[in-house]
Amino acid sequence: ETGVTQSPTHLIKTRGQQVTLRCSSQSGHNTVSWYQQALGQGPQFIFQYYREEENGRGNFPPRFSGLQFPNYSSELNVNALELDDSALYLCASSSSTGRTNEKLFFGSGTQLSVL
Amino acid sequence: EDKVVQSPLSLVVHEGDTVTLNCSYEVTNFRSLLWYKQEKKAPTFLFMLTSSGIEKKSGRLSSILDKKELSSILNITATQTGDSAIYLCAVEPYSGNTPLVFGKGTRLSVIA
Repeated sequence: ETGVTQSPTHLIKTRGQQVTLRCSSQSGHNTVSWYQQALGQGPQFIFQYYREEENGRGNFPPRFSGLQFPNYSSELNVNALELDDSALYLCASSSSTGRTNEKLFFGSGTQLSVL
Repeated sequence: EDKVVQSPLSLVVHEGDTVTLNCSYEVTNFRSLLWYKQEKKAPTFLFMLTSSGIEKKSGRLSSILDKKELSSILNITATQTGDSAIYLCAVEPYSGNTPLVFGKGTRLSVIA
């Protein structure tokens, strides 16, 4: 158990709809990263938030957006859902001090299915 | 473009066998290579290898980084059914607080 919690655990949506996924970071962590893991693939970086500001973005379209709140929890929003958005969405938190990626803690993810 | 390739993509072994999982990478300004175990959903950290720490061991698991060959191996000896999981290899480029680049993973199934 890493202390990173994500909600909901599962979600079913239809094409064109919008979805919001939530993540509570581990206590003391001020950086949150979001990854998309399609079936049979490794996680792909979506974006990262550090102290409420976007701090890096992967190759995802603008309909993927996010927020980080003062308590360092985070949301991932996806608009105009497409079938290919079906995937496991992983949130990972870390502290900005030290070797960030060694201390990256993943949540259990939200499994999104788009029909 | 940074790339990580893992092989094999899947593997079935019997309890007690020894397995070797492979990871090769192409990345600009390599900083570190990490191994994760993904049993159900959340990847959990196993090892981090860098230029100053090319070999790590923890119990039955060990990993070596070959910077010349741009690759790494993860060895698991005396496998148990609890080792069944997806093993992910990821590379961290050297550019500050940068995201990880993951391979597709190796799905290991250990049967009794």
